[in-house]
Amino acid sequence: EDQVTQSPEALRLQEGESSSLNCSYTVSGLRGLFWYRQDPGKGPEFLFTLYSAGEEKEKERLKATLTKKESFLHITAPKPEDSATYLCAVQALRYYGGSQGNLIFGKGTKLSVKP
Amino acid sequence: NAGVTQTPKFQVLKTGQSMTLQCAQDMNHNSMYWYRQDPGMGLRLIYYSASEGTTDKGEVPNGYNVSRLNKREFSLRLESAAPSQTSVYFCATVDRFEGGRRNIQYFGAGTRLSVL
Repeated sequence: EDQVTQSPEALRLQEGESSSLNCSYTVSGLRGLFWYRQDPGKGPEFLFTLYSAGEEKEKERLKATLTKKESFLHITAPKPEDSATYLCAVQALRYYGGSQGNLIFGKGTKLSVKP
Repeated sequence: NAGVTQTPKFQVLKTGQSMTLQCAQDMNHNSMYWYRQDPGMGLRLIYYSASEGTTDKGEVPNGYNVSRLNKREFSLRLESAAPSQTSVYFCATVDRFEGGRRNIQYFGAGTRLSVL
């Protein structure tokens, strides 16, 4: 069964304190791994897509990496505005045609950054 | 350019009442999705529509029906609401192969539904 597990469930950081969020996945062939950011009361906002092991993507203070079993979202010198829930999701190769866009989501990591 | 628009934003129903959640997109995407998000459960797929005229069940379709009215609109209907359907509902659309990106889902702001 395809599964996505995120850890920790919640993370509290001081401003400037770098850390990483983890996304472990079990999927029968990975089409792509996605990171989203979700602010309270809003819909998820796309951050990154990773397609193959060894791939890395960066955006401001965020860097996403991918291995064959997990992905990390590294946050360097975070600011209070980085506080949000970060969601990880995978697309499996077993979905094709019209269903290839289907995502399997993890439960998210709630990040709080204190000034 | 509004992207994905969901209406209403909030709704309170009594058990047994019916309602339709509306979703409209102006992104010219073919595929549309309905999710529910519950505390501690993550986002779960209810139904999806790969293209106009087609709909398919997702992980948790029981108690819901959908209609893909045209390419822009995808509605979710609760025929007889139950307290277990209290949740936040999100609509999403999927682009394909644009600028090197593939199958990225774009979400609306959500509908917060309480069933009493």
